[in-house]
Amino acid sequence: EVQLVESGGGLAQPGRSLTLSCAASGFRFDDYAMHWVRQVPGKGLEWVAGINWNSGSIGYADSVKGRFTISRDNAKNSLYLQMNSLRVEDTASYYCAKEGLVVVPGHYFYYFDVWGKGTTVTVSS
Amino acid sequence: EILMTQSPATLSVSPGERATLSCRANETVGSTVVWYQQKPGQAPRLLIYGATNRAAGVPTRFGGSGSGTEFTLTISSLQSEDFAVYYCQQYSKWPRTFGPGTKVDIK
Repeated sequence: EVQLVESGGGLAQPGRSLTLSCAASGFRFDDYAMHWVRQVPGKGLEWVAGINWNSGSIGYADSVKGRFTISRDNAKNSLYLQMNSLRVEDTASYYCAKEGLVVVPGHYFYYFDVWGKGTTVTVSS
Repeated sequence: EILMTQSPATLSVSPGERATLSCRANETVGSTVVWYQQKPGQAPRLLIYGATNRAAGVPTRFGGSGSGTEFTLTISSLQSEDFAVYYCQQYSKWPRTFGPGTKVDIK
């Protein structure tokens, strides 16, 4: 079964750090790009960061750039999100998502086809 | 960054009726739009990729159309399990922005 399981969420004070992990199983982890997406309770989805299969291409939302670091360990089938200088507005559920890819002549189609259940981060003093 | 907007914010529909959800990008994104469905307490579910392609296992009542800056998700005959929030997302450029969502609720 294809599965993503996030962990590492919890309560942190503003300015502190937290590291999220995502354990992948059921697919060849090192074949796929991976992403973090967050959601404030009752609000919409916000893409946070993404990393390609070999960590050669990484991107961040402007809201977290310079504070968060995405990384992966293909040997451990794991994705990480190091969150520094946390702010109250970082409070959200954080989802790990696998990027799928379909290639047809002339077109590359990307999408997030597998999602974890999420881990909750609360930033509060 | 590319800004995605969705309308309406809430759509009230009776079971069996057709629902039409709109998504707009503030610059052209070609066909690089994906639609997701999210139910309360659940992770999002992939519905449509490449603006028009149904993902595996998605019922044929879901259809996507559009290109450039204007996109539409159509649910031809709403079933009880379709009442949810629907998000569009673009992957033309990083960051991979989502729209704010359209909530489809029961009329």
